[in-house]
Parts: sequence; C-alpha cells; structure tokens
Amino acid sequence: DAKTTQPTSMDCAEGRAANLPCNHSTISGNEYVYWYRQIHSQGPQYIIHGLKNNETNEMASLIITEDRKSSTLILPHATLRDTAVYYCIVRVVGLDSGGSNYKLTFGKGTLLTVNP
Amino acid sequence: ETGVTQTPRHLVMGMTNKKSLKCEQHLGHNAMYWYKQSAKKPLELMFVYSLEERVENNSVPSRFSPECPNSSHLFLHLHTLQPEDSALYLCASSQDLLVAGANVLTFGAGSRLTVL
Repeated sequence: DAKTTQPTSMDCAEGRAANLPCNHSTISGNEYVYWYRQIHSQGPQYIIHGLKNNETNEMASLIITEDRKSSTLILPHATLRDTAVYYCIVRVVGLDSGGSNYKLTFGKGTLLTVNP
Repeated sequence: ETGVTQTPRHLVMGMTNKKSLKCEQHLGHNAMYWYKQSAKKPLELMFVYSLEERVENNSVPSRFSPECPNSSHLFLHLHTLQPEDSALYLCASSQDLLVAGANVLTFGAGSRLTVL
C-alpha cells in the first residue's frame, strides 16, 4: 500500500473549518483513500473514503486532487469533540496475488486540537 | 454505542495470571480483528478471523491466544504476559474481509491492559 504523509499536529478554532492534509504521492490507480479518527482512549472511528471523486457525508468532506497525489479531509464546523488523531490511509482494494489483502495499516496520524 | 462491545474496559494482571478479553459485535459482520496499540506507537494488527476461521496470525507471541466461537464473539486469552504487553487492545469488525472498497472497520472502545 502507498505511504502517506500527514502533519504531526494541527490546531483549529471551534466553529471554523478544519482542513487536514494528506500526501500520498505514490498512490496507484486501484488504491482508495480512507480517513479514520481516534478520540483519546477510544477505538478508531471510520469517517470517509474515496477513490478519485470528492466525497461528502454527514461527518466530513474528502477532496482528492486530480492527480490523486494528495487529499484533504474537511470538517466544516469543528467542535471540541472533534479533537482527535486523524489517520489518512491508502490501500489497495481487491485481492492481491496471494489471495488476501485485508489489512488496514494505521500510521501516526495528525493530532487535531480544536480550541474554544 | 458503536455496535462493538469490549470487556473489560480496564484490566490489571500479574505476569503469572491468566485472563481473557472479550469482544462482541451486534452488526451481523463476518470478519473480526484484534489490534494492539502501545503508547506512542501505531496500531498493530494481531489476528484476523473470517467466519470463525483465523486468516491472519501476525507473528504474535503464543502468550496471546485468540478464540472465535462464532461470528459475533471474539476472545483474546492472555497468559504469562510481560510488562511490555501493557497496551490498549482493540477489537474491530467488518461486513466481510477488507477486500471491497466499501468495507470499513468498526472498532470497539478497547480494553486497557496493564501487566505488573
């Protein structure tokens, strides 16, 4: 799976949009971009995923650049409860040559702190 | 309520004890996972089960023994652990193995283990 690069930490004011960048310059055509977040002392939570089109759900929007080498997760109106570590993960979808491929590899993510 | 319930939430054990962590999912999923999260480290995949059959044993020491009696329950049996095994143990489930793009992980809140 392609490697991702995220800033270690970011700050955002409550009520403002939080824009979390992710670089995945070695992404291949069959790799999806996934975002999860982990609030302190809880399990990770799925947020959103996409292949090449921008995606939006009730939690966030995902903007993927046309060359797919980077993406941005947008939380439109950040709240204090959005303070968490945000993980950007790129992975191949479908069976690999070994007939498997079911791993989701988490990196270190970005610690987003939403301030009052 | 995430749909994945882990018990106990906190466990303190000595190195000679035998204990078990329990995970139950109420989502009708067919695949279940154990992850380990040590302090300051990314999540590490330990075991993967699909339809009660183990499909991954990620070089985990034998002092960790998983059990999946049915597709709704997953256990992690612990014996003669070391202090370095202290960590947050996370259970997750997915509809099927993470092969399709839309398959995502739903995590429990985790069991915080301290080995004295």
